[in-house]
Amino acid sequence: KAGVTQTPRYLIKTRGQQVTLSCSPISGHRSVSWYQQTPGQGLQFLFEYFSETQRNKGNFPGRFSGRQFSNSRSEMNVSTLELGDSALYLCASRDAGEQYFGPGTRLTVT
Amino acid sequence: AQSVTQLDSQVPVFEEAPVELRCNYSSSVSVYLFWYVQYPNQGLQLLLKYLSGSTLVESINGFEAEFNKSQTSFHLRKPSVHISDTAEYFCAVRRDGYNKLIFGAGTRLAVHP
Repeated sequence: KAGVTQTPRYLIKTRGQQVTLSCSPISGHRSVSWYQQTPGQGLQFLFEYFSETQRNKGNFPGRFSGRQFSNSRSEMNVSTLELGDSALYLCASRDAGEQYFGPGTRLTVT
Repeated sequence: AQSVTQLDSQVPVFEEAPVELRCNYSSSVSVYLFWYVQYPNQGLQLLLKYLSGSTLVESINGFEAEFNKSQTSFHLRKPSVHISDTAEYFCAVRRDGYNKLIFGAGTRLAVHP
């Protein structure tokens, strides 16, 4: 099976803009979670989607949102970008057992 | 709430030497425990996990970790490291019934020749 894929791998945006990141889970996986990784805050949980429904949400402002489609693919959106949103955004899909992570999207906000 | 503490931010070690990366967790409920490894410019790869049963779990590349409930620890060990083990290692916990992983701050393992 193909692994978790994330697009794009790298992204540069300007403050105030918005961005959409995409994640395709492993075939058959219905749960998709998103994490933000920064040098200062480490790895932090953003949200989880299962069967198109948000099941859990981390402690992030409303500028961070996501959705999941019927084919389990997920997108996350960040509006009104701030410099502090520069990070590696990781997506993970899960079957009944463990989570499998994608390579991440590195977002740089200038 | 759960939390994870990785006691060492960096661990330098010589090739073929043993290494221990320490992880302690705090939780008022039962949790599952994981070690993930991250190589430069890559995502996270699961190294090993403790869900139940034997408290000593092993990975295919020689790492092992022991779940110690009384000390709330899940330290990662390898008897002889290789240059290729240089990476960042993350300890994580997950509560039963929840998909959210809570990570430690990470330990950067640097293996020197």
